Amino acid sequence: GQNIDQPTEMTATEGAIVQINCTYQTSGFNGLFWYQQHAGEAPTFLSYNVLDGLEEKGRFSSFLSRSKGYSYLLLKELQMKDSASYLCAVARGDRLAFGKGNQVVVIP
Amino acid sequence: DTGVSQNPRHKITKRGQNVTFRCDPISEHNRLYWYRQTLGQGPEFLTYFQNEAQLEKSRLLSDRFSAERPKGSFSTLEIQRTEQGDSAMYLCASRQGNEQFFGPGTRLTVL
Repeated sequence: GQNIDQPTEMTATEGAIVQINCTYQTSGFNGLFWYQQHAGEAPTFLSYNVLDGLEEKGRFSSFLSRSKGYSYLLLKELQMKDSASYLCAVARGDRLAFGKGNQVVVIP
Repeated sequence: DTGVSQNPRHKITKRGQNVTFRCDPISEHNRLYWYRQTLGQGPEFLTYFQNEAQLEKSRLLSDRFSAERPKGSFSTLEIQRTEQGDSAMYLCASRQGNEQFFGPGTRLTVL
């Protein structure tokens, strides 16, 4: 099965950088996804890592270490619209197992 | 808008009633997924289809739940004899390659 752990909430200032961590234990691994979810809306795809290392996409970067069962999402130059829940999801076969999400609150 | 649509967006029902939700995926996507999400939790996998074949079902999917995708296009999720514990957001996603695109969800409230 999967065991996915994320911190629950953090507050950061506009323009700052935040790092959201995700640790996982799984008996199978087909990649790790990060999704953003605004309140009352559907999750939207941010990034996908299947190999170790850093993937950069604009203001968002995601890192994976398979041997450590660890990933992080880095959000740079925070904007107010980045206030949302950030979900880590591990792919096992064709299904995704999500963590509870980390609520990021951006303040002016 | 991801291109995945779900109807209805909201459903309020009384305990014991049956409800049916519909999902229209992105047309060229052959994989379709159903998830359930409760407040403060991430989405939980329920089932998925490749074309019209239902390939996997979670243990969360009790006998009261049934899903179909008859022509490999839209899908329906039916819950029979609803219980208050069924209150949740029901999310549909379709997939091509690695990325799953989520619909806006159907929020079910069972009174």
